[in-house]
Amino acid sequence: AQSVTQLGSHVSVSEGALVLLRCNYSSSVPPYLFWYVQYPNQGLQLLLKYTTGATLVKGINGFEAEFKKSETSFHLTKPSAHMSDAAEYFCAVSVNTNAGKSTFGDGTTLTVKP
Amino acid sequence: KAGVTQTPRYLIKTRGQQVTLSCSPISGHRSVSWYQQTPGQGLQFLFEYFSETQRNKGNFPGRFSGRQFSNSRSEMNVSTLELGDSALYLCASTLDMGSKETQYFGPGTRLLVL
Repeated sequence: AQSVTQLGSHVSVSEGALVLLRCNYSSSVPPYLFWYVQYPNQGLQLLLKYTTGATLVKGINGFEAEFKKSETSFHLTKPSAHMSDAAEYFCAVSVNTNAGKSTFGDGTTLTVKP
Repeated sequence: KAGVTQTPRYLIKTRGQQVTLSCSPISGHRSVSWYQQTPGQGLQFLFEYFSETQRNKGNFPGRFSGRQFSNSRSEMNVSTLELGDSALYLCASTLDMGSKETQYFGPGTRLLVL
C-alpha cells in the first residue's frame, strides 16, 4: 500500500523568497515519486519525477526535489518564488515509472505575495 | 504533437442520469488512466486501460466503468449519477505501462450533478 502526506495545505511566500513544499510518502516497495502543478481549471502538469539514480532531481520552472529514503521525504523547492508559481501542487507516488495508478497527496496551494 | 484532449469540458446532469466522458490520448500513447478530483477526496485513481484491456482499477463502485478502443481513445461512463459524483475527471496518457515516460494529463471534464 502507498500513501502520500503533504504537510501544509496552504503555503504563502513573498516574491523572491524560497519555496519549500513538503511531501512524505509511505510505500511497501521502492517508490517512484512525482510532483505536479495544477493551475485553475486546468489539468496537471509534471514538474519533476524521481525513478532511480540521482536523488536530487531538477524539474521545469526552476523547481527541484530531493529524494531522502531515510526520511521518506520528497520535498519540492525553488530558490526564488515568482508570481507565476502561484498554483496548487501535488505530490504523488507510484509503483510504475510512468506514474500509472498514482496515489496523490491532498495538494498544497502556493500563494506568492508581491 | 497534440496533447491529451477531453470532451466535453463541462457537463451538467441531474441525479439518476448517466454520463459518458471521452479522452483522446497523445498520438502513439497506448495507456490511458482516469482520475476523479474533488475538494473533499482529492485526486483518486479510477482505472487504467492498455491496449483495450483494463489493467488496474481503483476503489470506485460499479457505476463507474470505462473502455478503450483500438485507436487508444477511451471513454468512461457513470451510471445513476449521484450528487457526490460532481468532480473534475482527468484523463492521462502514456506510451505504455512499462515505459519510463511519464503520463500527460488532459485539461479535464468538469461534471456537475444537480
